[in-house]
Amino acid sequence: NAGVMQNPRHLVRRRGQEARLRCSPMKGHSHVYWYRQLPEEGLKFMVYLQKENIIDESGMPKERFSAEFPKEGPSILRIQQVVRGDSAAYFCASSPRDREGYGYTFGSGTRLTVV
Amino acid sequence: EDQVTQSPEALRLQEGESSSLNCSYTVSGLRGLFWYRQDPGKGPEFLFTLYSAGEEKEKERLKATLTKKESFLHITAPKPEDSATYLCAVRSNTGFQKLVFGTGTRLLVSP
Repeated sequence: NAGVMQNPRHLVRRRGQEARLRCSPMKGHSHVYWYRQLPEEGLKFMVYLQKENIIDESGMPKERFSAEFPKEGPSILRIQQVVRGDSAAYFCASSPRDREGYGYTFGSGTRLTVV
Repeated sequence: EDQVTQSPEALRLQEGESSSLNCSYTVSGLRGLFWYRQDPGKGPEFLFTLYSAGEEKEKERLKATLTKKESFLHITAPKPEDSATYLCAVRSNTGFQKLVFGTGTRLLVSP
């Protein structure tokens, strides 16, 4: 049973380009969460999605960032017109449902570097 | 606003030297306190969830405890393979499903 799969593992983008990060949740998991980890900072919540629905996007920057979790295929975190401050590790986690206490399974992350 | 503070930032132990990591929190109605382990270049790995003061959970050399204001992760007779960053996170009544993380404690266990 494969875990949460994120790709690419490493992504380098020039300022102004777009970054697309993909996350395939564990089999049977329908809830996806995205977190960002800046250097020397803790993990920060970005967005919580279920299939075809954004449930909580309170941690998403208002501009340039968007997320989706379509009926078929992986969840996508999209960053338009990237800037140096977007350089960070982006982690995806999944859970089977709104299950109290479930510890979420995290992927290995995508490390985005903006040059 | 929910907050989590972990101490110390870094801890160096000799193999077999037991110690504790601290996680202090302020939250509007605790719906769970989580401990994770994170190795370099990897995602967090779930260890424990605690819900109420007085609760304790154990896994191998690790034991997590919870009070109304803080949690401790006790490491008994650690081994070099316990070296990692240990993260604490809380979920609150008002935070929906999101976890609020501390910045972690980097543990290094020397042989």
